[in-house]
Amino acid sequence: DAKTTQPPSMDCAEGRAANLPCNHSTISGNEYVYWYRQIHSQGPQYIIHGLKNNETNEMASLIITEDRKSSTLILPHATLRDTAVYYCIVRVVQDDKIIFGKGTRLHILP
Amino acid sequence: GAVVSQHPSWVICKSGTSVKIECRSLDFQATTMFWYRQFPKQSLMLMATSNEGSKATYEQGVEKDKFLINHASLTLSTLTVTSAHPEDSSFYICSASSGIIGRGDTQYFGPGTRLTVL
Repeated sequence: DAKTTQPPSMDCAEGRAANLPCNHSTISGNEYVYWYRQIHSQGPQYIIHGLKNNETNEMASLIITEDRKSSTLILPHATLRDTAVYYCIVRVVQDDKIIFGKGTRLHILP
Repeated sequence: GAVVSQHPSWVICKSGTSVKIECRSLDFQATTMFWYRQFPKQSLMLMATSNEGSKATYEQGVEKDKFLINHASLTLSTLTVTSAHPEDSSFYICSASSGIIGRGDTQYFGPGTRLTVL
């Protein structure tokens, strides 16, 4: 059981910000929100994770609502290379196994 | 950064034969490795968790006698698909956990192995 809900697909224009939503209404207090992406026929790539504060790294920003029931991954300036399936996952600790849901297929349009 | 390799990247075999897939952590020691399977247009499905020096833990519905996992060292885990059949054709992906706190995430994924059983 993936414990998260994501839209099956989204489009975003190249150069614009891509905002990918995720619902995790049953998240526990000790569970982190992780985001991965999978480019076609490759292994998943870690993007970012957070507990309750907003996080930013060189790839993306993660905005978590105050009640922690949902979050948004933001790719600030999407490029064609960002076309991938994006997975939102909740897990307790970094070494815990990862259960993938269906993810969001993001299409970046030229 | 932490790199995980898989070998082979693709393999074609005849029905009834066995195929071994290797997963290596190249620049770190991995106490835990995970094996996933992915069918076309579907998400990754966790098959099993392996810890170095001990037996693998299989997810419900995964046949342990068909998918043999060996984690003999801190840098190598192998998945052997025994008596392969066409329905075993899939994309097999491993991940390795470095257990090092502070790197953002401690799990690193391999590039995957595409198995085709004729």
